[in-house]
Amino acid sequence: QSALSQPASVSGSPGQSITISCTGSNSDIGVYDYVSWYQYSPGRAPKLLFSDVINRSSGVSLRMSASKSGNTASLTISDLQPEDESDYYCASYRVGDTVVFGGGTKLTVL
Amino acid sequence: QEQLQESGPGLVKPSETLSLTCSLSGGSMSFYYWSWVRQAPGKGLEWIGFTYFSGRTNYSPSLKSRVNISVDTSKNQFFLTLKSVTAADTAVYFCARQWMVQGGFDIWGQGTPVIVSS
Repeated sequence: QSALSQPASVSGSPGQSITISCTGSNSDIGVYDYVSWYQYSPGRAPKLLFSDVINRSSGVSLRMSASKSGNTASLTISDLQPEDESDYYCASYRVGDTVVFGGGTKLTVL
Repeated sequence: QEQLQESGPGLVKPSETLSLTCSLSGGSMSFYYWSWVRQAPGKGLEWIGFTYFSGRTNYSPSLKSRVNISVDTSKNQFFLTLKSVTAADTAVYFCARQWMVQGGFDIWGQGTPVIVSS
């Protein structure tokens, strides 16, 4: 099954805002409001940031927000901080009672 | 505080079977979904499949013919077996929890690396 599509990398300077897109299809993001976002640094366990498109997990910075339009979900980080540098993954529920992840986006804080 | 911990051989020979265990501490397996996810070198996360605490399972279509996931709630453990492995199965394997299959993975293990090599 094909993965959700994310940009391989995004970058921004401290204080700026960035948005990471996650594009799926009418078998997942387009028909279900079950998108989740993860922050992941190799060697550590992935951290759930958002579930059900917009529900922020406890302890997640208010500088982060998530949304969805059509077949594309988005994660926005405002007022970028050095500690935001990490890999970010989206995931969606998909027809057939399965789950599909995006390819991941490496965020660099310049 | 619930915690998950993966365990199993770090090296598996090609064509053999990969077997991993995920152990839950500090909580109960009841009414949750328990999944395996992997990350191959240089690649993204890949969902392998889940087991519900009742034993209901489902798998990624791309791995379905080779995968089995089972659960032993009395031991607070669930298991992954992947048959006929190749180098493409070399990855860090994670176990993770969902409160519903549509939901996010809220608890993860640290991951265990598995290399497929002779």
